[in-house]
Amino acid sequence: DAGVTQSPTHLIKTRGQHVTLRCSPISGHKSVSWYQQVLGQGPQFIFQYYEKEERGRGNFPDRFSARQFPNYSSELNVNALLLGDSALYLCASSFWTGRSNQPQHFGDGTRLSIL
Amino acid sequence: AQKVTQAQTEISVVEKEDVTLDCVYETRDTTYYLFWYKQPPSGELVFLIRRNSFDEQNEISGRYSWNFQKSTSSFNFTITASQVVDSAVYFCALSGGSGISSGSARQLTFGSGTQLTVLP
Repeated sequence: DAGVTQSPTHLIKTRGQHVTLRCSPISGHKSVSWYQQVLGQGPQFIFQYYEKEERGRGNFPDRFSARQFPNYSSELNVNALLLGDSALYLCASSFWTGRSNQPQHFGDGTRLSIL
Repeated sequence: AQKVTQAQTEISVVEKEDVTLDCVYETRDTTYYLFWYKQPPSGELVFLIRRNSFDEQNEISGRYSWNFQKSTSSFNFTITASQVVDSAVYFCALSGGSGISSGSARQLTFGSGTQLTVLP
């Protein structure tokens, strides 16, 4: 079975541009989360979506937005890129149950470099 | 607020040595979940284990074992007879349980990671 897939793998942008990152969850997973991982640090939570609704947002500016589609895939959009947005962006998917926090399974990430 | 501390930034051992990675957490939730992930140089985070706050039994899986102690808010990870392929960054993470029934986010709060290098 395919794992979480993310595209593109690498991306180079300049300050002020806009970027869209894409994620396809593991088949059967309806929850998708996005994390930002700056070099040398642990991942930081950006968004979580379940059944196309935003269920949580981390401490990121409004330049960051996301959405989930009917097939449960997701997009992360970042506007007005800053040098500090350079990072590995990780997507994770999981089952969603009412009783427990299921493990999140991560993709390989998109490495975004801002020049 | 939730917090995970991994005080060991880097650890280097020789193959076949045992190594323990420390993790200390802070949370106000009475129900919570703890996780360990491995991140090899390729970048993908690989899920290793999940424990809930009600289950303090230690767990062993092959060369891996985990020691969960609520009294000290620690969830340590031991690799026995380490191998070169174990070289990676290991992250401990915490997820609160308050949103389980309400459907709110179950985001992971990660520690800063421990870089483990196993030398041949």
